[in-house]
Amino acid sequence: EDKVVQSPLSLVVHEGDTVTLNCSYEVTNFRSLLWYKQEKKAPTFLFMLTSSGIEKKSGRLSSILDKKELFSILNITATQTGDSAIYLCVGASGTYKYIFGTGTRLKVLA
Amino acid sequence: SQTIHQWPATLVQPVGSPLSLECTVEGTSNPNLYWYRQAAGRGLQLLFYSIGIDQISSEVPQNLSASRPQDRQFILSSKKLLLSDSGFYLCAWRYPSGGGFLGEAFFGQGTRLTVV
Repeated sequence: EDKVVQSPLSLVVHEGDTVTLNCSYEVTNFRSLLWYKQEKKAPTFLFMLTSSGIEKKSGRLSSILDKKELFSILNITATQTGDSAIYLCVGASGTYKYIFGTGTRLKVLA
Repeated sequence: SQTIHQWPATLVQPVGSPLSLECTVEGTSNPNLYWYRQAAGRGLQLLFYSIGIDQISSEVPQNLSASRPQDRQFILSSKKLLLSDSGFYLCAWRYPSGGGFLGEAFFGQGTRLTVV
């Protein structure tokens, strides 16, 4: 059965800290690994990773994929209170299926 | 630009009542459409997937059904709600797969359904 496992489940840090969110996956017919940020309602897209070892970067956020170890990490540097959210890791399979992890709930304290 | 609308935002319904949630997409043609449910402490569960009008795939046997009467309209329904149908329902769309990488999906704002 396809699965995506994220750790930690929740995390509380102070502004300015750096955090690393982990994602391991077992996805048949794997196509890509995606990260989303969910604050109150709709998840918003952060990154899509398709190749091992190539870092994707957007401001203070970065992510990398290891297709051999079936693993991805999402790094957030110099965290801000606006980074507080649930971060979702998603494995894309085949032609249509997305397998979601349960998410990591991040809380950044001022 | 593309936008996705989902309504209502919140809904409280008694057990045994019918349900209709609607989702529409603007600014694109022939999108792939999804209905997900998010229960507390659990990941998003795929309920239905559609690649075109009247082409619906069901992922999980349950009390719900979906229809796609128009290209950019996706409706989630139930004839009789159960308590276990409570949750956060999300509609999503993506560009049709061209056989390459499966790109990102874009989500609506969700409907919080409470069955009482």
